[in-house]
Amino acid sequence: NAGVTQTPKFQVLKTGQSMTLQCAQDMNHNSMYWYRQDPGMGLRLIYYSASEGTTDKGEVPNGYNVSRLNKREFSLRLESAAPSQTSVYFCASSLTWGNTEAFFGQGTRLTVV
Amino acid sequence: KQEVTQIPAALSVPEGENLVLNCSFTDSAIYNLQWFRQDPGKGLTSLLLIQSSQREQTSGRLNASLDKSSGRSTLYIAASQPGDSATYLCAVNGINTGTASKLTFGTGTRLQVTL
Repeated sequence: NAGVTQTPKFQVLKTGQSMTLQCAQDMNHNSMYWYRQDPGMGLRLIYYSASEGTTDKGEVPNGYNVSRLNKREFSLRLESAAPSQTSVYFCASSLTWGNTEAFFGQGTRLTVV
Repeated sequence: KQEVTQIPAALSVPEGENLVLNCSFTDSAIYNLQWFRQDPGKGLTSLLLIQSSQREQTSGRLNASLDKSSGRSTLYIAASQPGDSATYLCAVNGINTGTASKLTFGTGTRLQVTL
């Protein structure tokens, strides 16, 4: 039972480069989320998708875009990476939006130099 | 804006000791509260979910309580073991979240259980 799978696990980018973080869940969940985790700041919501076909901004969306490709997959794109985007990124999913248990992937550690 | 605080930030206890981790939140309008465990360099593992209508949830040696009116939750770990060493995160699923930050996290309690 894979749960939530993220790729890649590690990535180093140069300032200005672009990349896409991939996330897939196999639990037939409707809602998916992208968070970033920074030391001393906890996890903060970047974007979320309440259901297939919808996406909305979270707390810290600037510099990111998302695509809900289908019910299983939710990708996060950095168009022009900046050092401030150095962080650990987590994808999560839940059965419905807002009020059920959330399950997290193993994270992507991104360094922008 | 919902704020979640976890105290203490770090805790070291000898093996076998019972311990309590604290979580407080500022807005009592919540759907539920979830406790997670995070090992170094790893993702978050869900431990317990307490719905707003519940007072507590138990799983093995873990017991989580919720007092919504006072904005507090505790995670009780019985007979601690070295394998319990990790960071424990509390997350509140708020109703009045405006910008749709549905899960608001605390910064965690880093627990070390020594032999």
